[in-house]
Amino acid sequence: SAVISQKPSRDICQRGTSLTIQCQVDSQVTMMFWYRQQPGQSLTLIATANQGSEATYESGFVIDKFPISRPNLTFSTLTVSNMSPEDSSIYLCSALRGHGELFFGEGSRLTVL
Amino acid sequence: AQTVTQSQPEMSVQEAETVTLSCTYDTSESNYYLFWYKQPPSRQMILVIRQEAYKQQNATENRFSVNFQKAAKSFSLKISDSQLGDTAMYFCAFLQGGSEKLVFGKGTKLTVNP
Repeated sequence: SAVISQKPSRDICQRGTSLTIQCQVDSQVTMMFWYRQQPGQSLTLIATANQGSEATYESGFVIDKFPISRPNLTFSTLTVSNMSPEDSSIYLCSALRGHGELFFGEGSRLTVL
Repeated sequence: AQTVTQSQPEMSVQEAETVTLSCTYDTSESNYYLFWYKQPPSRQMILVIRQEAYKQQNATENRFSVNFQKAAKSFSLKISDSQLGDTAMYFCAFLQGGSEKLVFGKGTKLTVNP
């Protein structure tokens, strides 16, 4: 299985600021994804992080709010921009390793005051 | 669009007993994969078990097994000899063949009591 490291694991931020979450995979993977998990809810896909090109966003998520980078096959970042309390969630990085198996990082718990 | 339904928001079981978590899904496709993920309080999503739709044999991983009923579009998870460490949220997920995007159910919160 792949090992995925995410940081920060948690943060408390002020309204209007931005936070960048980093995701490092211990081996090359074909696909990387970013999910949001609001309190007590299931996972919602934000976007697919494409290596060397713009991310592919799901309905309801836009690049200006959630810019994503993926400079290589093992690393990606998600920025939550101009944060509001509604952005308080767990943000999870995941990676696909063949046969449809998705592996997850430990998540980043974001609280916006 | 595919949907995944977990009808049990919460369940509890006594340690060492067996519990079954339900999951149904809706798809018109024949090539797909089904998964159960576990999310303990530590937040890490962990893959528990995986089933390919073309396989008739139910997947098994140690104390975890599934009952895959393709015609009924049902994919339940059985946990035998429940342990305290099994306490977690359990998510059923669907992946369309050729796609990379998992569709998750809303989850079932399982509590194993001593």
